[in-house]
Amino acid sequence: GAGVSQSPSNKVTEKGKDVELRCDPISGHTALYWYRQSLGQGLEFLIYFQGNSAPDKSGLPSDRFSAERTGGSVSTLTIQRTQQEDSAVYLCASSPQYNEQFFGPGTRLTVL
Amino acid sequence: GENVEQHPSTLSVQEGDSAVIKCTYSDSASNYFPWYKQELGKRPQLIIDIRSNVGEKKDQRIAVTLNKTAKHFSLHITETQPEDSAVYFCASGGSARQLTFGSGTQLTVLP
Repeated sequence: GAGVSQSPSNKVTEKGKDVELRCDPISGHTALYWYRQSLGQGLEFLIYFQGNSAPDKSGLPSDRFSAERTGGSVSTLTIQRTQQEDSAVYLCASSPQYNEQFFGPGTRLTVL
Repeated sequence: GENVEQHPSTLSVQEGDSAVIKCTYSDSASNYFPWYKQELGKRPQLIIDIRSNVGEKKDQRIAVTLNKTAKHFSLHITETQPEDSAVYFCASGGSARQLTFGSGTQLTVLP
């Protein structure tokens, strides 16, 4: 079946612009996660959604970052007024309950 | 919150030798411990996981051991091959919360 998909695969933007990154989880997965991975670094947790519960936003680095998940499925991560330090690969993962996380291919964001 | 430490950060082994990567965690409530492999430019993929009711799990050349008392778990890869070269991440989690990942280990298998 289809795995987790993300779009766009690459995004180049100018400093100060807003960007939206999209994640389509595996159908039926109740949990959805966003991570950030800088070049050669580990996985930095950003936010996670579990069913209809309030999202855990504890990993968001600043109020320029926000995310929503509509209808318990597709999620959008929005970064406002992008900065150069936001450049990274943004990974989305989904999971049935709290078990194995299946990762998407990521969106490579470059802020010029 | 949970804290996961992973060692070593880099590891080079000769083809055919074994590789061991170790992780410690802080939250005694954690009960799920997966290992992910990330090849260059690709997404992380689960290679093996273990739950707290088991002390060891093996899948062909890969094994994971868990010591809940000491709060540490390890990944063992035997008879390493060049295609095992990748970054490996451990993680710790439990019911009702997300996984906390280690910082990763770059494994290089030398031919």
